Parts: sequence; structure tokens; C-alpha cells
Amino acid sequence: EVQLVESGGGSVQPGGSLRLSCAASGFTFSYYPMNWVRQAPGRGLEWISYISTSSTNIFYADSVRGRFTVSRDNAKNSFYLQMNSLRAEDTAVYYCARDQDWNLIYWGQGTPVTVSS
Amino acid sequence: QSALTQPRSVSGSPGQSVTVSCTGTSSDVGGYNYVSWYQQHPGKAPKVILYDVTKRPSGVPDRFSGSKSGDTASLTISGLQAEDEADYYCCSYAGSYSWVFGGGTKLTVL
Repeated sequence: EVQLVESGGGSVQPGGSLRLSCAASGFTFSYYPMNWVRQAPGRGLEWISYISTSSTNIFYADSVRGRFTVSRDNAKNSFYLQMNSLRAEDTAVYYCARDQDWNLIYWGQGTPVTVSS
Repeated sequence: QSALTQPRSVSGSPGQSVTVSCTGTSSDVGGYNYVSWYQQHPGKAPKVILYDVTKRPSGVPDRFSGSKSGDTASLTISGLQAEDEADYYCCSYAGSYSWVFGGGTKLTVL
């Protein structure tokens, strides 16, 4: 069974940093690109980042480019989102999602991030 | 990219059918057959109910169906049930390793 488990969320002040993790199991992690998607309170879903299987291709939404960095460790079946220079508008639940032929099929349960002074 | 356009809400009575539209552009919905739909109950993670426009993952009832015409995709739920009350989001691959979501539609089962 495919499982994705996010961790690392919490509360941080504006300008601060957080590192989210996503632990994968139930499939050959190194075979699949991965994505981060977020959902602000009471709002819709927003795709924010993609990383290819070997980390060769990495892409970001305009809203986070230059502040967030995605990475993965295939040996540990994990991938990460380093979030710097956090803003109030980054407050959201962050989900990791597995790419399967250009569809985001499997999702984790999400980890909440609150940016507030 | 701009978010895909969905109606904010739809409603129907048990047993009826409802359709949720999702309008994009030729750069996303119209350009790829990689449209997916998600069901989200309050406080829960999104769950995929359709992908590749029309395909249902294992375990999703055939009451859920999808279609696409031009830049607009649609989700139809037939034989509405109380447990179908949820938020529904469409999503399309938008090229260059990016995805775009719709703003979400709240389905109320009357």
C-alpha cells in the first residue's frame, strides 16, 4: 500500500524557516517524481513544487520560487521542502503527492504550517 | 498560471445527478488529457476520484464519471448519496512540470 507521511510542520514567525519531510513507503520511491501541494485555510489547493526521480528537474510555482527548496534522498525514501523567508501567506497545510504519468494520484495526510508573529 | 474555474457550489437531492465544470485554457485543460478530480471532506486530505479525464482509481464507484470538451472538463456524479457531500477540486497538468488546480466546488446533498 502506498503511504506518504509528512512531518515537520509547526508555527514560525515571519521571516523564519521550516523544513518539511515526506516519508514514502509501499512503492519504489526512486521511480517516481514527487510534488508538494499546499492549501491555505479555507482556500483551494495550490501546486508549489516538483522534483524528478534523480533530482535533475526541479520546478517551483512563482509564489515560492527563490524562497523554497525541494530535495530528495532516494536511499531514505524521503523528500523534503526547505522553506525560508516565510510569510503569513505561506500559512497552509502542506501535502506531498506522488506523480504518476502527470497525475497527482497519491497524497499524504498533510502537515500544517502557521506563519504568525 | 491562473486557477481553473469551477462553480463555487452545486447541489442536488439524493438519487439525482450533478455536474461540476472546470474551465481552463489551451495551455492546461485543453492541451493535455491529464485532468484529475479530487474529493475532500472537511479536515481530510484530498482523495483522487478521477484521473486522465475519465479513469477511476480502484475503489471509486462508477457513479463518478469524467469528460472533457475543449478547454472544459466535467465531473458528473450520478445517484447522489449523502456521503458525496464534500468539496471537489479539478487539476490539470499545465506543461513544464507544473500543475494548476481549480478553486473548488462545494457539493451539498439536499
